[in-house]
Amino acid sequence: NAGVTQTPKFRILKIGQSMTLQCTQDMNHNYMYWYRQDPGMGLKLIYYSVGAGITDKGEVPNGYNVSRSTTEDFPLRLELAAPSQTSVYFCASSLQSGILGAEAFFGQGTRLTVV
Amino acid sequence: QQPVQSPQAVILREGEDAVINCSSSKALYSVHWYRQKHGEAPVFLMILLKGGEQKGHEKISASFNEKKQQSSLYLTASQLSYSGTYFCGTMNYGGSQGNLIFGKGTKLSVKP
Repeated sequence: NAGVTQTPKFRILKIGQSMTLQCTQDMNHNYMYWYRQDPGMGLKLIYYSVGAGITDKGEVPNGYNVSRSTTEDFPLRLELAAPSQTSVYFCASSLQSGILGAEAFFGQGTRLTVV
Repeated sequence: QQPVQSPQAVILREGEDAVINCSSSKALYSVHWYRQKHGEAPVFLMILLKGGEQKGHEKISASFNEKKQQSSLYLTASQLSYSGTYFCGTMNYGGSQGNLIFGKGTKLSVKP
């Protein structure tokens, strides 16, 4: 009963390095999301996807890229990591749009530190 | 547009009630409530839809005032397990179907 799986759980990056945060779900959900969470700031939407091949920007997309080649996977790419990208990253998925009342299922998060 | 939650934090004794509010500057299509315990992922509580439909599965209730663009989460007879940070998420009219935006959260602490 996996749900939404994120890897890695923890990572330390040096400034200027790049990396990919992996997210996969086994619920055949159409919608997938990436959020970042900073202390006291809530969850900020980075990117989302409404289906394979379709992605769109959220509130804070700068410095990130995504792709959605399959229904299951929604990787988040950080290019040229900066200290401002130190955060906890959550991937989530839902069967349908929240407009229709579909709940989102969250992964356990990736704690990223950029030094 | 990020919804605004109030209060930012609240401390309760077991058995007391609390209300958490969520408001938006834009017309709302749906309001979503999640709870997050420290070090864990957010967990779904409830969704309220335009037209009054409500979906949820815990002993927590909520209201949705479409005209005022507000929602309130009611926690009655609080238990220790209610402790955590509560987030409201909103989907606005005119926004994309994937644009689920969350507020900054309300930290609830329930003491014995």
